[in-house]
Amino acid sequence: QVQLQGSGPGLVKPSETLSLTCTVSGGSIISYYWSWIRQPPGKGLEWIGYISYSGSTSYNPSLKSRVTISVDTSKNQFSLKLSSVTAADTAVYYCARDRDGGNLFDPWGQGNLVTVSS
Amino acid sequence: QSVLTQPPSVSAAPGQKVTISCSGSSSNIGNNYVSWYQQLPRTAPKLLIYENNKRPSGIPDRFSGSTSGTSATLGITGLQTGDEADYYCETWDNSLSAGVFGGGTKLTVL
Repeated sequence: QVQLQGSGPGLVKPSETLSLTCTVSGGSIISYYWSWIRQPPGKGLEWIGYISYSGSTSYNPSLKSRVTISVDTSKNQFSLKLSSVTAADTAVYYCARDRDGGNLFDPWGQGNLVTVSS
Repeated sequence: QSVLTQPPSVSAAPGQKVTISCSGSSSNIGNNYVSWYQQLPRTAPKLLIYENNKRPSGIPDRFSGSTSGTSATLGITGLQTGDEADYYCETWDNSLSAGVFGGGTKLTVL
């Protein structure tokens, strides 16, 4: 069965760029969409954006100016970059297979806590 | 403030039934499929219901989903202490061109 594993730094300085990678195992990244979703401590879920295996993307308008999602099919990975981060970007970041383009997320990765602090 | 509105909390006794509502608009629930997710403490969310009322393999039939107009409802029967979790509804919003989640509902099994 498909499993997702996120990886990346757990601490990022304010104004710098947050970078995370999600590795897909047990299946091919080719077909489906692939999303990033975040959850600030003690708060709800927020969809960040998705990418298709062919590279087409869709981003949450509230984050669009700062977000880039890319895919590397040769490595079965997709990545998130969020620029100019502030403390408000501190959250657990989840990667997930997106079976309907912004809907139907299954399965999810384990989540990566990223703290923005100097 | 979430585009989809859920009650912050619901509670019921073991063995009882509970429903969780999710209110939206014609730009989201009214014209797109709704998914529901269960987030147990300190774990990643898990898909519970998709396409309004379908259950993934392995999800017991105690969990059900329905929609009516611009609202969706998650039902849980035969409540167990292991059902204590946060529950989120989600769908696509055509006006925002974005996936949108409800604010989440904390279920307490008394």
